[in-house]
Parts: sequence; structure tokens; C-alpha cells
Amino acid sequence: EAGVAQSPRYKIIEKRQSVAFWCNPISGHATLYWYQQILGQGPKLLIQFQNNGVVDDSQLPKDRFSAERLKGVDSTLKIQPAKLEDSAVYLCASSFGVSQPQHFGDGTRLSIL
Amino acid sequence: GENVEQHPSTLSVQEGDSAVIKCTYSDSASNYFPWYKQELGKGPQLIIDIRSNVGEKKDQRIAVTLNKTAKHFSLHITETQPEDSAVYFCAASMGTGFQKLVFGTGTRLLVSP
Repeated sequence: EAGVAQSPRYKIIEKRQSVAFWCNPISGHATLYWYQQILGQGPKLLIQFQNNGVVDDSQLPKDRFSAERLKGVDSTLKIQPAKLEDSAVYLCASSFGVSQPQHFGDGTRLSIL
Repeated sequence: GENVEQHPSTLSVQEGDSAVIKCTYSDSASNYFPWYKQELGKGPQLIIDIRSNVGEKKDQRIAVTLNKTAKHFSLHITETQPEDSAVYFCAASMGTGFQKLVFGTGTRLLVSP
């Protein structure tokens, strides 16, 4: 079974620029999550999708972050404009359903200069 | 608020020794408790999980115990090996309806040969 795929693996941008991350979940997984992991901390949930609908985006900084999952499969997370404090690893995870085991991709490491 | 505390932050053991990592959670409605192992440059990997209707679960050298009264759960690794060296995260489900995972701050385990 193929795992969660994410790209790019690394991204370096300057502050105030925009950036986008892509995630392809495990086939058949209806629930998709985006997490932010700052160095030395545990992952923090940014947004959770059930199929193509958002079920939790309470911790998403909506003035600069956006995410979509148009066809209920792939998802993109965008930051515009980026701030220095956005430097982190952005992890995508998927699960068969809500409250089911979550499986993570290897993430995108974002550095803001 | 939604909080998971994890101790210790670092743990050094000799190969063959046992390692124990402890977590406490704040939400009495939490009912799902996974443990993840994260190696450098990789995403978190699910190693074991437990639900609130079970007090203990074991998988080869890894076991998890849950004390719902004390809101406390622990990871036990026996006969540690150098390849067990990694950062370990506990997590607890929180919220109602579409529950989300709240992660601990991580434990860096170093197993010396």
C-alpha cells in the first residue's frame, strides 16, 4: 500500500512570498489532515477535511493560510504572505475515517528567510 | 484547555534496558491514544494505539497502558535496541463530533550499544 505522498520535500522562500504544498493521501482514506510541526514540538493540527468538506480549521491562521481538497482526494495548503514564524515542517496525514489511525507523510520543510 | 503533557523530554538507556515514557491529558472525553515514532527527516510513524475501553495493549516489545481515572497513559519499550533511537510522541483525541489529535511535546530516546 502506497503511503501519504507530499511535495516538495524542501522549500526556501523569503518573507512575504507565497508557497504551496501538495498532498496525496492513502487511497480510500476519506479524512485528510494538515499539521504544522515547529522544531522541537509535536505536530499541531491546522485543518481537517472529511472528503472535500472542512470539519475543523479552528487553528488555521486564515488571514494567510488556505487549504482545499476539491475532489476529495488530493489537497493543497497555501501560505500567502509568509512570515518568519511560518518556518516549520508541514505534515499531511490521512485516515480511513474520523477517529481512525492517522498515517503521516514525510512532510515539507519550509524555511523563511 | 486541550493539553497533553509528556515526560521525560530526553531519555538515554543502554541497549537491552527498558524505556518508559509517560503522558497526561486534560480532556476527560478523550477516548483514543496513539503513539508515534519520528526519525530524523521522516514523518511520524504510528507504532501502537489504545482506546479507552482497554487498559493495556501489547505488540511484541512495545506496550501501552491507560489509566482513565488519572488521565494518564504510558509507553513501555522492553529490550531496547539502537534502532529504537528516535523521538516518540503521544497523542490524545479531543473535542466532540469530529475529534482531533492533540500531541505531546515529544521524548528523544537514545539507545546506546
